[in-house]
Amino acid sequence: KAGVTQTPRYLIKTRGQQVTLSCSPISGHRSVSWYQQTPGQGLQFLFEYFSETQRNKGNFPGRFSGRQFSNSRSEMNVSTLELGDSALYLCASSLANSGNTIYFGEGSWLTVV
Amino acid sequence: GQQVMQIPQYQHVQEGEDFTTYCNSSTTLSNIQWYKQRPGGHPVFLIQLVKSGEVKKQKRLTFQFGEAKKNSSLHITATQTTDVGTYFCAGQERGGKLIFGQGTELSVKP
Repeated sequence: KAGVTQTPRYLIKTRGQQVTLSCSPISGHRSVSWYQQTPGQGLQFLFEYFSETQRNKGNFPGRFSGRQFSNSRSEMNVSTLELGDSALYLCASSLANSGNTIYFGEGSWLTVV
Repeated sequence: GQQVMQIPQYQHVQEGEDFTTYCNSSTTLSNIQWYKQRPGGHPVFLIQLVKSGEVKKQKRLTFQFGEAKKNSSLHITATQTTDVGTYFCAGQERGGKLIFGQGTELSVKP
């Protein structure tokens, strides 16, 4: 069974640009959540999607957005990139209900210069 | 909002010594989960605790969930170099988002 797949794995963007990251969950998993990981802030919850609907949202500005498609694949977008957005962005999938184990992808390393 | 505090931030031990990391939530949790992230890797699920006062063991790892369901601990007996990594707790309120602690980075000197 394939794990959570994230693309791209590494990317470099310039301040002011926007970026889209993609996540394919484990087959059969309907919930996808996104986290930002930085050395100083640890793992910060961005948002969670279930059946194409945002179920929970973290405390990030509106520049961070996401969506989920009918096949459970998810994308997150960051507009008007800032230097502080440089981080590892992790996607995690789970079966459905709150309390299920979440499985992380390997992440997308974003560097903003 | 819900906060999960984890201490210590770093722990350096000699191989064979024990290690403990503690997690404390500002609110009562529905469940708490523990993850391990190896250097350069992604977090990997270790265990989930649901019941008040629950204790679970995985070989040399012992996980506890407090009676009030607001705190938890992970204890490793006789650490090995393979235990190196960052250990995260993650607390979840009923129906809520999973909130991660800051993590404890464990280094083991052979």
